[in-house]
Amino acid sequence: ILNVEQSPQSLHVQEGDSTNFTCSFPSSNFYALHWYRWETAKSPEALFVMTLNGDEKKKGRISATLNTKEGYSYLYIKGSQPEDSATYLCAFAAYSGAGSYQLTFGKGTKLSVIP
Amino acid sequence: NAGVTQTPKFQVLKTGQSMTLQCAQDMNHEYMSWYRQDPGMGLRLIHYSVGAGITDQGEVPNGYNVSRSTTEDFPLRLLSAAPSQTSVYFCASSYSNRGREETQYFGPGTRLLVL
Repeated sequence: ILNVEQSPQSLHVQEGDSTNFTCSFPSSNFYALHWYRWETAKSPEALFVMTLNGDEKKKGRISATLNTKEGYSYLYIKGSQPEDSATYLCAFAAYSGAGSYQLTFGKGTKLSVIP
Repeated sequence: NAGVTQTPKFQVLKTGQSMTLQCAQDMNHEYMSWYRQDPGMGLRLIHYSVGAGITDQGEVPNGYNVSRSTTEDFPLRLLSAAPSQTSVYFCASSYSNRGREETQYFGPGTRLLVL
């Protein structure tokens, strides 16, 4: 079983603060790292897929970086807004043979933005 | 498109009862999967299917059966429910699992309580 760790487990920030959190994953046999956003009472939705060391992806105020050599990815939110409150999941794509991949999810970081 | 739909949204069972959680997608996705979400745990893969007639076990398959007779439907069966199966169940689909960048589309979840 692959170890995909996310920290912190939860985070409370004031509206307007910038924040970041971490996803750690095995540095060997890397194929892809996925980020999902999961709002309460909704379904997880894909944010980014990152495949190359040094990759940086951005969507509005949310961005992510990837370091495959040391096995971590950071998710940054600039100027947090209450609507950013959600659980952010990362998932490591592992090769499962015959040209197929499986995602192993971390436990998530729950972000609460206080107005 | 309705995307991924799940029924029921909420179910209470007694220990030993059986039931089927329904999942359907209208995106012509080959790959479908079932996850369970428990407090303090990440999404854990129960079973998955790479196409009609093909299913395989995930990380936590015990106590669950699946079948895939059509591309659209992927029901999850609990043959004899146990309190340990109290959880939130998510169905997900993607075009395939042969690409490391394939993102998954999640259903709204089924909350199951086994007494």
